[in-house]
Amino acid sequence: DVKVTQSSRYLVKRTGEKVFLECVQDMDHENMFWYRQDPGLGLRLIYFSYDVKMKEKGDIPEGYSVSREKKERFSLILESASTNQTSMYLCASSLGLIGLAGVPGYNEQFFGPGTRLTVL
Amino acid sequence: QKEVEQNSGPLSVPEGAIASLNCTYSDRGSQSFFWYRQYSGKSPELIMFIYSNGDKEDGRFTAQLNKASQYVSLLIRDSQPSDSATYLCAVSGGFQKLVFGTGTRLLVSP
Repeated sequence: DVKVTQSSRYLVKRTGEKVFLECVQDMDHENMFWYRQDPGLGLRLIYFSYDVKMKEKGDIPEGYSVSREKKERFSLILESASTNQTSMYLCASSLGLIGLAGVPGYNEQFFGPGTRLTVL
Repeated sequence: QKEVEQNSGPLSVPEGAIASLNCTYSDRGSQSFFWYRQYSGKSPELIMFIYSNGDKEDGRFTAQLNKASQYVSLLIRDSQPSDSATYLCAVSGGFQKLVFGTGTRLLVSP
């Protein structure tokens, strides 16, 4: 079974703090993703990575950065946390090799348990 | 902008009935389609995926895909109270990304 773990289930931070959210997957997946989920807005992609040291902006990258130094680990960084970044943060991974999009088995994303971040 | 549309619900069905959840998508080039279940306070869990036109059955769940109409549906037979959750439709969005709908909340009453 794919296992995706996230460093914290709940986190409370103060405005202006630097926040690190970590995600680890144990299935040698190529792709990793960070989403945030807010009521009525659904899942919104922040950043994704298709290889070590590679990153791509998603739909809402402002205020966030990411790091992928090892294949199994993908970190989301809030450089200076703000109250509007209070949200549920979800990490996901997929096997997805470049060129195999649309091939069964390569696009399915598996999610970690989520981190509920509150910024005061 | 690629879009995935779902009725937010709630969709209320009695125990034992068939629940029908629907999803439309805007990108004709999409190749893969997924249904996730999300319980309140939990993360999404993949329950079905479909790549070809037609039906795909897995236990009490059936996914239906009609690419010509850009329409995906999920049928849950013999609905149980434990099926009460939000169901997210996701569609391949290019370069291995998925585009998610905002989900349909299903309530199954005993």
